[in-house]
Amino acid sequence: DIQMTQSPPSLSASLGDEVTITCQASQDIYKYITWYQQKPGKPPRLLIRYTSMLESGTPSRFSGSGSGSDYSFSISNVESEDIASYFCLQYVNLPLTFGSGTKLEIK
Amino acid sequence: QVQLQQSGAELAKPGSSVKISCKASGYTFNSYYITWIKETTGQGLEYIGYINARSGGTNHNEKFKGKATLTEDESSSTAFMQLSSLTPDDSAVYYCARDCYFDFWGPGTMVTVSS
Repeated sequence: DIQMTQSPPSLSASLGDEVTITCQASQDIYKYITWYQQKPGKPPRLLIRYTSMLESGTPSRFSGSGSGSDYSFSISNVESEDIASYFCLQYVNLPLTFGSGTKLEIK
Repeated sequence: QVQLQQSGAELAKPGSSVKISCKASGYTFNSYYITWIKETTGQGLEYIGYINARSGGTNHNEKFKGKATLTEDESSSTAFMQLSSLTPDDSAVYYCARDCYFDFWGPGTMVTVSS
């Protein structure tokens, strides 16, 4: 199974900051990574697929990049509505595997 | 619009089974897989398996083989997951989601296993 090591587990940011979350895969995942946002009591929402492709409705302040086994997800100009948990998923190999999540809080 | 509607919360006894449903609307059901995911505080999100809504073919995470049985009814655009031989470790929120990168999710079904 591919292990997805996500960091940091939590982030505290001020409004307007830029934050970055990373996911390191245990092997090359050929850019087959997605990023999700999850708010308490809600299902996750797909933000980005295939490393950097924004889903319809995803604000442009969200972005993703990476290759090989190292990937990152960024939010520029953090807004209050971005308070949530974020996690990655690799979908190159079965079983699909998730990162452990990052909780974003506002200072 | 695409929607996945899941059945309601379940309270089950250890050793029993539950069957959760996921009714799809807003798209052609048999054009996509339905994937099932388990969410717990301790383990986070785990892939259980998927069902090909066209062929009925399935794939299971080894960890959930023998625990989860995936089926579908194309006539009602509904996917099902039966969880058997329940233990407290099966207490979780279970989601269905569309396709292999989960572009749409159901609201989740909470399963609580307790005597």
